[in-house]
Order: sequence, then structure tokens, then C-alpha cells
Amino acid sequence: KQEVTQIPAALSVPEGENLVLNCSFTDSAIYNLQWFRQDPGKGLTSLLLIQSSQREQTSGRLNASLDKSSGRSTLYIAASQPGDSATYLCAVKHGSSNTGKLIFGQGTTLQVKP
Amino acid sequence: DTGVSQDPRHKITKRGQNVTFRCDPISEHNRLYWYRQTLGQGPEFLTYFQNEAQLEKSRLLSDRFSAERPKGSFSTLEIQRTEQGDSAMYLCASSQRRAGEETQYFGPGTRLLVL
Repeated sequence: KQEVTQIPAALSVPEGENLVLNCSFTDSAIYNLQWFRQDPGKGLTSLLLIQSSQREQTSGRLNASLDKSSGRSTLYIAASQPGDSATYLCAVKHGSSNTGKLIFGQGTTLQVKP
Repeated sequence: DTGVSQDPRHKITKRGQNVTFRCDPISEHNRLYWYRQTLGQGPEFLTYFQNEAQLEKSRLLSDRFSAERPKGSFSTLEIQRTEQGDSAMYLCASSQRRAGEETQYFGPGTRLLVL
């Protein structure tokens, strides 16, 4: 059974700091991995999607890496800003492309202090 | 706005009542998903449709839960005889596979409180 874990559960940093969020998964047979952002009481916004054949994806100040063999992904946020404060979730799509569901970690709640 | 929409955004009900939620996906998306999220946890998969066919259901989806997507467009999720443990955020997502890639786009969710 695929399990996804995110560490730490919460993180507080001063504005301007670079930071790394971690995601690990127990079964390396994934189709892709997606990072989401969730603001309090809101839905999820997709940030980055990495296919199983890819090593990383970048969007602006965000960079996500994937090491399928070790079951790990990281989300790197450069020059953090107070507006980055939110919960960050990683999710894996398991197995074949016909499997629709995503399996989520518990999330890392980030607070960036001005 | 062409994103995923959900209605209602909030629902308070008494234990034992039935509730129904609606999700309108992005118009060209053929896949639609339902997830449930409790406080401090990540979303958990409930069920998904490809067009009007319900292709997968989680064990979380007890007999009291039913989902439909009658014309392959909007979907409804009904909970019968609600229990306090049903209190959660119910999230809908839609997607369209292109060139082997599929990104799920989420709606704002329906927050359910069962008293």
C-alpha cells in the first residue's frame, strides 16, 4: 500500500530565506508526483507536476525534484515571501496512467514571517 | 471563471439528515474526482469518473455515500443518514489527459459540519 509522508509538519522561517520541503513515498512505482498549495479553508492549487521519467520541474521561485528509486521528492522555495505562507501538499499518482487517484501526504504548513 | 466550481461552499446539517453536493468541472475535462479532507490531514480519495462511468471507488465510500455523473459533465455526491464523522471538507477535481500528462485541478471545496 502506497504511503506518502511529509516532513516537517510545520515550518516557520524569516522572509527571504531559501527552504526545502520534503516528501517521501513507500512504493516507487509511481506515474507522477504533484505538489499543491492550499490556503486556509480553500481548495488546492497545483504548483508543479513531475512525471516519473523526469528529475525536476521549475516554476518561478519553485523547484521540485524527484528521486523515484529512493522514494523522495523535495520542493525548494527560493527567497521566501510572506505570501508563500500556506500548506504545501505532495501527492503521487500510483501505477499505470489508468489509475486516476492521487495519494496525498499530510502536508507541511509554512509560515514566512516578515 | 472557467475553473472547477462546487456548491454549496458550506453546509451545516443535523445527524441523520441527507445532504447532496454538486461539482461542475472544467468544461473540456473528462475525468472527475471526489476527495475528503479532515482537519490537519491531506485529502483522501473517494471516487472518480471518466465521462459518466464511475471507474474506481474507495473503501471509504460506505453504502451511505453515492456519487453520480449522469451526462459526463457535472457530478453530485450524496451522503445519506449523516454522522458526525462525516464532517470534513469535500473536494472535487477534474482533469484531461494530454500527451500522457494529467494535472488535477481542484475546486474550492464544500465544508460539511454534522451536528
